[in-house]
Amino acid sequence: QQQVKQSPQSLIVQKGGISIINCAYENTAFDYFPWYQQFPGKGPALLIAIRPDVSEKKEGRFTISFNKSAKQFSLHIMDSQPGDSATYFCAASIFWSSNTGKLIFGQGTTLQVKP
Amino acid sequence: GAGVSQTPSNKVTEKGKYVELRCDPISGHTALYWYRQSLGQGPEFLIYFQGTGAADDSGLPNDRFFAVRPEGSVSTLKIQRTERGDSAVYLCASSLTPGKTYNEQFFGPGTRLTVL
Repeated sequence: QQQVKQSPQSLIVQKGGISIINCAYENTAFDYFPWYQQFPGKGPALLIAIRPDVSEKKEGRFTISFNKSAKQFSLHIMDSQPGDSATYFCAASIFWSSNTGKLIFGQGTTLQVKP
Repeated sequence: GAGVSQTPSNKVTEKGKYVELRCDPISGHTALYWYRQSLGQGPEFLIYFQGTGAADDSGLPNDRFFAVRPEGSVSTLKIQRTERGDSAVYLCASSLTPGKTYNEQFFGPGTRLTVL
């Protein structure tokens, strides 16, 4: 069962542009939504995360927008840089009720930022 | 300090063989997770350890897969009678004990398993 759907599969953006990646989830029990960044040959690294009682969270050039009623959340990368070129994964977790913290990942988006 | 380490970085084996993949978590992290990442896909949860015990093994695909963490630190993922479909990158992550606040999972670089 695909619990977290991510789009687009790939994205090409010019340097300085805005990159937008979208995710949708099905399980309303999810209560934590992190985004991970993965470079080739490396493990995923936490970029930014949000809880469903907040509609937006910003950290530097990275912003998560969260729409609980639509069961959707998105990552916005402002002023995209070539160094942002990587694969991005959204994820969801049933954390507070299950207390395991296991992550359900989307399929990933490969971002290429052209100089 | 040191991050999560995994050995070997690459493992090539033949169909039907047995393999062991090792994970060294960050010191002091009581929670340990194994995930499997197939080519072009997001990581899929396999098993979660809290200390020495497997608190959630719901992601293990079948009984050929088994994991242990005997002393609450290093963990070994064991795969018996490997099949070509087992080829993937196996990721390990560790975190502080899940509790009142969400604890970030730190991932290792993974072990790339290829079953010929």
